[in-house]
Amino acid sequence: DQQVKQNSPSLSVQEGRISILNCDYTNSMFDYFLWYKKYPAEGPTFLISISSIKDKNEDGRFTVFLNKSAKHLSLHIVPSQPGDSAVYFCAASEGSQGNLIFGKGTKLSVKP
Amino acid sequence: KAGVTQTPRYLIKTRGQQVTLSCSPISGHRSVSWYQQTPGQGLQFLFEYFSETQRNKGNFPGRFSGRQFSNSRSEMNVSTLELGDSALYLCASSTGQGLDTQYFGPGTRLTVL
Repeated sequence: DQQVKQNSPSLSVQEGRISILNCDYTNSMFDYFLWYKKYPAEGPTFLISISSIKDKNEDGRFTVFLNKSAKHLSLHIVPSQPGDSAVYFCAASEGSQGNLIFGKGTKLSVKP
Repeated sequence: KAGVTQTPRYLIKTRGQQVTLSCSPISGHRSVSWYQQTPGQGLQFLFEYFSETQRNKGNFPGRFSGRQFSNSRSEMNVSTLELGDSALYLCASSTGQGLDTQYFGPGTRLTVL
């Protein structure tokens, strides 16, 4: 039973446009959410996070939105660049437990 | 600051053997978590060590074990290897306190023949 779901396995976007990656969760005890970017055979690279007391967090081209009532978060990348092409994972945790629950990932392709 | 390092990067073993993987966390981090990534199951949590004590454990058989040393370096051991243990094994380090971001190493690719 997946606690964190990324329902879109892939997403294709034109360079310069906005990329929106979505993530849903079921556990209302999650209080910290993170997005990671990953290339094959490499470790995930941390992008941005948000705590459950916020509904938005920005870092450069990356913005994460959290809708607690809908148990939904999204990652916006504006503008998208070809170097953003990778698999993006949404992850959630409860308290300070070192147990991240990951979604299955969304493969983003940004076309020049 | 140096990132998380993992050794070895690649490993080939045969069924029934055992293997030990090593992880050195970011300086000052006291928590090390281990994950297994496979195409079918995605990224799954194995266990977490904090200050030399196992603090959390995922749903993996007892063949998977770990430990953490006083310098926060951690090792993961898999005994009696099975074909299904072939995976990318990732470790991540964090402070282990509060709302905590985990930073991942490059992983160890284990192939079991």
